[in-house]
Amino acid sequence: NAGVMQNPRHLVRRRGQEARLRCSPMKGHSHVYWYRQLPEEGLKFMVYLQKENIIDESGMPKERFSAEFPKEGPSILRIQQVVRGDSAAYFCASSEDRLNIQYFGAGTRLSVL
Amino acid sequence: DQQVKQNSPSLSVQEGRISILNCDYTNSMFDYFLWYKKYPAEGPTFLISISSIKDKNEDGRFTVFLNKSAKHLSLHIVPSQPGDSAVYFCAASARTGTASKLTFGTGTRLQVTL
Repeated sequence: NAGVMQNPRHLVRRRGQEARLRCSPMKGHSHVYWYRQLPEEGLKFMVYLQKENIIDESGMPKERFSAEFPKEGPSILRIQQVVRGDSAAYFCASSEDRLNIQYFGAGTRLSVL
Repeated sequence: DQQVKQNSPSLSVQEGRISILNCDYTNSMFDYFLWYKKYPAEGPTFLISISSIKDKNEDGRFTVFLNKSAKHLSLHIVPSQPGDSAVYFCAASARTGTASKLTFGTGTRLQVTL
């Protein structure tokens, strides 16, 4: 049973470009979470999605960031017009339902030049 | 506002001895607590969890203790092994309504020496 798959593992963007991060949850999991980790810090919650619905986006910056989890295909975290402060590791987690353990992917390391 | 705190950034323990990692929280709505282990360039790996209705949970070499009155939990690893060297994150959630997000501490780097 494959774990949570994130791609790409590393992403380099110039300021002003768009970044798209993908996450395929574990088989049988319909709940997806995105977290961001800045250097020397813990993981910070961004958004929680269930198939086709955003359940909680309280940790997501109001501008430039968006997330989706379509009926078919992976969840996408999209960052428009990236700035240097967006450089971080972005982790996706999935769970079978909202009360179950969240299992994490290996992350996408975004570097903004 | 750091709702989950791990006050020790690092800990060094000899192989075979006990490792004790501590975590404090401030939000009394938290009712479920987890420990994750993280190696560099990898995602967090789930280790063990505990519900607020319990005060202890054990899984092999790992035991988590919860003291609700003190808003404190700890992870005990015994005996410690070199492969346990990693960063350990404490996380908490308030599982009410539709909430499901985890609030993480800043981590404790454990080094197990030979």
